[in-house]
Amino acid sequence: DVKVTQSSRYLVKRTGEKVFLECVQDMDHENMFWYRQDPGLGLRLIYFSYDVKMKEKGDIPEGYSVSREKKERFSLILESASTNQTSMYLCASSLCGHGYTFGSGTRLTVV
Amino acid sequence: GENVEQHPSTLSVQEGDSAVIKCTYSDSASNYFPWYKQELGKRPQLIIDIRSNVGEKKDQRIAVTLNKTAKHFSLHITETQPEDSAVYFCAADRDDKIIFGKGTRLHILP
Repeated sequence: DVKVTQSSRYLVKRTGEKVFLECVQDMDHENMFWYRQDPGLGLRLIYFSYDVKMKEKGDIPEGYSVSREKKERFSLILESASTNQTSMYLCASSLCGHGYTFGSGTRLTVV
Repeated sequence: GENVEQHPSTLSVQEGDSAVIKCTYSDSASNYFPWYKQELGKRPQLIIDIRSNVGEKKDQRIAVTLNKTAKHFSLHITETQPEDSAVYFCAADRDDKIIFGKGTRLHILP
């Protein structure tokens, strides 16, 4: 089974802090994605990557950046956390042309 | 860009009855349509998918239909069971980027 592992299940950070969310997949998938999930809004794409050192903006990239230095790892960075970034963050990976495998999610609270 | 609309947002059906969730998409170049099920507190999981060269696909009690001309696709669950209670997301994929609908919360009533 493909495993997508997110480093933290729950995280509480202060406004203005720099926050790193880590995601690692173990099946050599080319594609990796970061979504945030909010009630009533579904899953919204923040950033994605089709290859090492490659990144593309999704629908809501403002306030976020990403890093993909290795194929198996895709990091989401909140440069200066704000309360409106309180959310569930889901990482996913996929092979080209196939559905996603999601991580368990990180519930981030910014206070 | 792609936009996926999903209806209804909430659906309650009697156990044993059928449930239907409908989605529309905007980008005619989308060619892959997965459906995900998310149980409370868990990650979304792929339950069935369909590609644009196929009109219908079935897997036991779950089926998906696709009308490319109308840009509609639907999920059908027959003989619903309590374990079908969850949030279901439709999605459309173009160039390996998946855009999701807002989800349907399905309640199975005893």
